Amino acid sequence: DAKTTQPTSMDCAEGRAANLPCNHSTISGNEYVYWYRQIHSQGPQYIIHGLKNNETNEMASLIITEDRKSSTLILPHATLRDTAVYYCIVTPAYSQKLVFGQGTRLTINP
Amino acid sequence: GAVVSQHPSWVICKSGTSVKIECRSLDFQATTMFWYRQFPKQSLMLMATSNEGSKATYEQGVEKDKFLINHASLTLSTLTVTSAHPEDSSFYICSAREFGGQGRYNEQFFGPGTRLTVL
Repeated sequence: DAKTTQPTSMDCAEGRAANLPCNHSTISGNEYVYWYRQIHSQGPQYIIHGLKNNETNEMASLIITEDRKSSTLILPHATLRDTAVYYCIVTPAYSQKLVFGQGTRLTINP
Repeated sequence: GAVVSQHPSWVICKSGTSVKIECRSLDFQATTMFWYRQFPKQSLMLMATSNEGSKATYEQGVEKDKFLINHASLTLSTLTVTSAHPEDSSFYICSAREFGGQGRYNEQFFGPGTRLTVL
């Protein structure tokens, strides 16, 4: 599975858009980009996933570059409850496994 | 969304005893369940993958005789930590993948976790 690189930590002001980058330069054609987040002492929560097109759901938007070597998760109007560790995971569609890296610790400040 | 529960949410046990943790999918059938372990300030580490009715597949370095996994039904998987020692103290999290789920190939629904402390 392709390796991902994320910043260790980020801060964002409440009400602003939080943009979390992820580098996956070794991604292959059949690998999807998944985003999960983990709020302190809880199980991870699925956010969004995509292959090559940009995706949007009720939680976030996922922007994948044309060469698919990087992506950005966007939380459009961050709230204090969005403070969490965000994991970017690249995995083939046929794989059952999710391999978690260190993620980005996002802190939303009032 | 799909809900996964774990029981107990926390447990304290003496060294040398065994502890069983249950993982249930409440409103869907889970063909596959996963068990993760997370130490403080670290990421989740996959321990094993279990498919209903068959033996679990353990990740490299995980002792199958120490961490017994049973997935007897499409809604229940159990993890038993046998002869627990203080170094087994950790946050154990399960996840479940929906049987026949469409469109979200790898979406896994995670339980709330079980915090195990071995004295």
